[in-house]
Amino acid sequence: EPEVTQTPSHQVTQMGQEVILRCVPISNHLYFYWYRQILGQKVEFLVSFYNNEISEKSEIFDDQFSVERPDGSNFTLKIRSTKLEDSAMYFCASSVNPALGAFFGQGTRLTVV
Amino acid sequence: QKEVEQNSGPLSVPEGAIASLNCTYSDRGSQSFFWYRQYSGKSPELIMFIYSNGDKEDGRFTAQLNKASQYVSLLIRDSQPSDSATYLCAVLHGSSNTGKLIFGQGTTLQVKP
Repeated sequence: EPEVTQTPSHQVTQMGQEVILRCVPISNHLYFYWYRQILGQKVEFLVSFYNNEISEKSEIFDDQFSVERPDGSNFTLKIRSTKLEDSAMYFCASSVNPALGAFFGQGTRLTVV
Repeated sequence: QKEVEQNSGPLSVPEGAIASLNCTYSDRGSQSFFWYRQYSGKSPELIMFIYSNGDKEDGRFTAQLNKASQYVSLLIRDSQPSDSATYLCAVLHGSSNTGKLIFGQGTTLQVKP
């Protein structure tokens, strides 16, 4: 069964450092997303990406964040200068049609120290 | 007003019973509704989606939608200990065609053997 894969599963970084979280969406999916979940809190939308451009972003997704689809398979989230409050589980998701739901990867746990 | 509301629980049911999970949403323009299951430390897993008023059944799961009351529910028949998880209600943002999902806080279900 096709699935969304994310690497790494866990990333520890020092405050102020840049991190890149990587995702391989399901191959025939056209819509890509990043969500995050701070421990004990709800899943929050960060950004959606369609047709090689950002289609919507949340207030959380400020200038420190960027997304890229560098080739036909990978989808990345870059956090330029990490802060302690960026510590969370980051989920990549993809969908073939938003009305049918999105499929989530296993997540990357980001710990900023 | 919170966009998607769920009772955080825990909801405890005996094995074999019916578990009933509820969700309300605030945006009347919302069209598609989803139930995700999230085991502790894992990613959300899509269980069902519904977009028409009424019931939709899939195996032991039944999703119910009442747009007039802005209410979505999930029934789990013959509950098993393996159903113990947090169930997330998600709504496709009404004014968005980008696939942005708004999640509730989730309801923790405990199925006791």
